[in-house]
Amino acid sequence: QKEVEQDPGPLSVPEGAIVSLNCTYSNSAFQYFMWYRQYSRKGPELLMYTYSSGNKEDGRFTAQVDKSSKYISLFIRDSQPSDSATYLCAMSEGAQKLVFGQGTRLTINP
Amino acid sequence: DVKVTQSSRYLVKRTGEKVFLECVQDMDHENMFWYRQDPGLGLRLIYFSYDVKMKEKGDIPEGYSVSREKKERFSLILESASTNQTSMYLCASRMSGGAGELFFGEGSRLTVL
Repeated sequence: QKEVEQDPGPLSVPEGAIVSLNCTYSNSAFQYFMWYRQYSRKGPELLMYTYSSGNKEDGRFTAQVDKSSKYISLFIRDSQPSDSATYLCAMSEGAQKLVFGQGTRLTINP
Repeated sequence: DVKVTQSSRYLVKRTGEKVFLECVQDMDHENMFWYRQDPGLGLRLIYFSYDVKMKEKGDIPEGYSVSREKKERFSLILESASTNQTSMYLCASRMSGGAGELFFGEGSRLTVL
């Protein structure tokens, strides 16, 4: 069993839809949770960063962490074609190596 | 603007060749990483370095070695390339301490024939 599981998709939604991306994990020691966005032929860039449980909002993006269920989510409101990318969840225990999910390929159709 | 630069975006090599992938960062970061990215497998850590001349094995170090002679430069070496090393290779750097943001290069796509 992988330490972090993420549905690779692909996921295709119309412009303006609410998108939900999810990851589950097995290591209860994870405390730092991140979402990276990777455009085609580019390296990943940090999108959201959350410590421990709870929600964090940044514009159209909301990250949620439920440590009791070992489940994290990224919501994108009013999705735009420019949001089309691969989204990678990542998590760590602390100053340790990050463990990444497989990435979900998302396409927003105009 | 912070930057991680990978020397080659696309390489084609033959089985058995020695391959060097170079990475330079301009952020004075202590920690540097090499990942490979494959469809369905996500990013997997090959090696990382937390200081000059220091290195640690990641999850899939077999068939790879690394060199860090200067703080800003981290090289990945494939001593004898094999077809199963065809992949996207991503270099990243991060400040030491805490679980801070990883800054990635744009990747080097290696094809081994």
